Amino acid sequence: DAGVTQSPTHLIKTRGQQVTLRCSPKSGHDTVSWYQQALGQGPQFIFQYYEEEERQRGNFPDRFSGHQFPNYSSELNVNALLLGDSALYLCASSLAAAAQNFGPGTRLTVT
Amino acid sequence: GESVGLHLPTLSVQEGDNSIINCAYSNSASDYFIWYKQESGKGPQFIIDIRSNMDKRQGQRVTVLLNKTVKHLSLQIAATQPGDSAVYFCAEETSGSRLTFGEGTQLTVNP
Repeated sequence: DAGVTQSPTHLIKTRGQQVTLRCSPKSGHDTVSWYQQALGQGPQFIFQYYEEEERQRGNFPDRFSGHQFPNYSSELNVNALLLGDSALYLCASSLAAAAQNFGPGTRLTVT
Repeated sequence: GESVGLHLPTLSVQEGDNSIINCAYSNSASDYFIWYKQESGKGPQFIIDIRSNMDKRQGQRVTVLLNKTVKHLSLQIAATQPGDSAVYFCAEETSGSRLTFGEGTQLTVNP
């Protein structure tokens, strides 16, 4: 039974470009959350998707957007990349009140 | 505001000793807490969780203690092994399943 998977593993983009990160939740999970983790810091909540809608959002600008598909997979899009967007982007999935399971993350470097 | 913090940024122990990692939280309304382990280059891995109607919960070699009076959480690892070396985060679930993480404690186990 595969856990949470994310793609790509690593990504290098130039300032001003746009990026799309992908996440497949653990089998049976219907809720997907995205987090940004800067080097040496704890993960910061970006937003959460449930039933294909954004259910909650953290303190991130509108440049960060997302989508959830009918099969519960999700995408995170970031427009107009800034150097400060360089981080590990984590996807977590869950079902109901159970603990969130995290994927391995996508390491984004903006140059 | 809502925040979760850790008392010590680093902890070094000898193999076979017991480890105790502490965490303070500020939101007295939070009712669900999780400990995650994160190894270098990987996503956070669930260790153990506890709900606010409990004071203590035990897993395999790990115990979580919750003191709601002083808003304090701790993780105890028995017979610490080199494979336990990692960064440990406590996370607080707030307003509908979003997680707020602390800064993390780097645990180093010396052989």
